[in-house]
Order: sequence, then C-alpha cells, then structure tokens
Amino acid sequence: DQQVKQNSPSLSVQEGRISILNCDYTNSMFDYFLWYKKYPAEGPTFLISISSIKDKNEDGRFTVFLNKSAKHLSLHIVPSQPGDSAVYFCAASGDNTNAGKSTFGDGTTLTVKP
Amino acid sequence: GAGVSQTPSNKVTEKGKYVELRCDPISGHTALYWYRQSLGQGPEFLIYFQGTGAADDSGLPNDRFFAVRPEGSVSTLKIQRTERGDSAVYLCASSLTPRNEQFFGPGTRLTVL
Repeated sequence: DQQVKQNSPSLSVQEGRISILNCDYTNSMFDYFLWYKKYPAEGPTFLISISSIKDKNEDGRFTVFLNKSAKHLSLHIVPSQPGDSAVYFCAASGDNTNAGKSTFGDGTTLTVKP
Repeated sequence: GAGVSQTPSNKVTEKGKYVELRCDPISGHTALYWYRQSLGQGPEFLIYFQGTGAADDSGLPNDRFFAVRPEGSVSTLKIQRTERGDSAVYLCASSLTPRNEQFFGPGTRLTVL
C-alpha cells in the first residue's frame, strides 16, 4: 500500500516553460510535505516544504501547492532551466509522534530541453 | 561546513556475510535517518534516531537489520546474513530536529552476490 504516489515517472519540458510535478497521498495523518531533488550518484537535496496549515509556499522559481481535500500537492518550477533536470521526490510526514518518519514517492524524472 | 558522509561508497559482499555501513551526520544534528533505495523507487524509511535512541525502527525489514548511534553522532547500520535482496543504495540523512528538512549523504551502494 503506497501512501505517497507520483503517478508520472517522467516529464519533459522546454527551457523557459513551466514544469508541474504532481503527488498524491492517502494518509490523512500526513501534515508536512517536502520536495527533494536528486542528481545521479548523489543523495536527495531538499527543495521546498509546506505545512498542512498552508495551501501554498513559494521560494524563488519553486512553488508548492497543497490541496488537502484532494490529498494532492504539486511543485511548479517556472521558468524551467536545463539544470533543473533531475529526479524529484515528494515526501510526507505525520504528526509529532511520527515527525521523523518520512514516506517518499517513487519520483518523477524531469528533463528540461534547451 | 561538511555535509553528511557515508562509508564505504560501494560494498560488494557474498550472500550470508555480515556488513556494516557508516554514517557521519552534520555536526549538531540531533536526528539521523536510514533509508534504502532500490532502482526506480523512492527512499524507503528504515529507522530514525533522536540523539542516541532509536525513535522509530518500524521500517527495519527483519531482525537481520540493526542500527546503533551510541554517542548521538556517528551511526552504523549492521546487516547480518546478507541476502541478494538486500542489494540497494543505503542512504543516511540528518536534520536539526525531526521536523526539519533532511540532509542526505551520497549513499552506500551494497551489492550482495
């Protein structure tokens, strides 16, 4: 039973356009969500997070939207750059009793074409 | 400052052998995590430490897997009687507190022949 799902294994966009990566979750106890980016042969690096008390968080070119009723979040990258090409993981964690346990999706490989 | 480091970067072993994987977290980070990542999948939670104690070990697949963090800094993941299915990249991460973003090491690629 996969509690965090990224249904698109891959996404290809043109440089300068918007990239939208999606993530769905099933566990209503999740209240903190994060996006990580991973290059080959490296560990994931943190990008942006959002708490369930918000529906949007923005950091430069990256914006995360959370729709709690739909149990859906998305990461928007605009404008996309070739250096954004990587695997993006969505992760979720629960309340303070399970604060340290993050559940990850299987990732979406983003390719930004020059 | 230095990030999370993991040693060895690669480990090849034979079925049935014992292996130890080491993680050096970022100095001052109280929380430390172990994950396992197989090809095409996301990191799978194994265990996390708050200080010296294992706060949640619900992800350890069976009793062949054990992890320690005796002084609240360096951690060792120990796998006994390795099986071919244990082959994966083992990732370690640390964070200031359990609610902060995690900083990952480069991983140890374990291959069990």
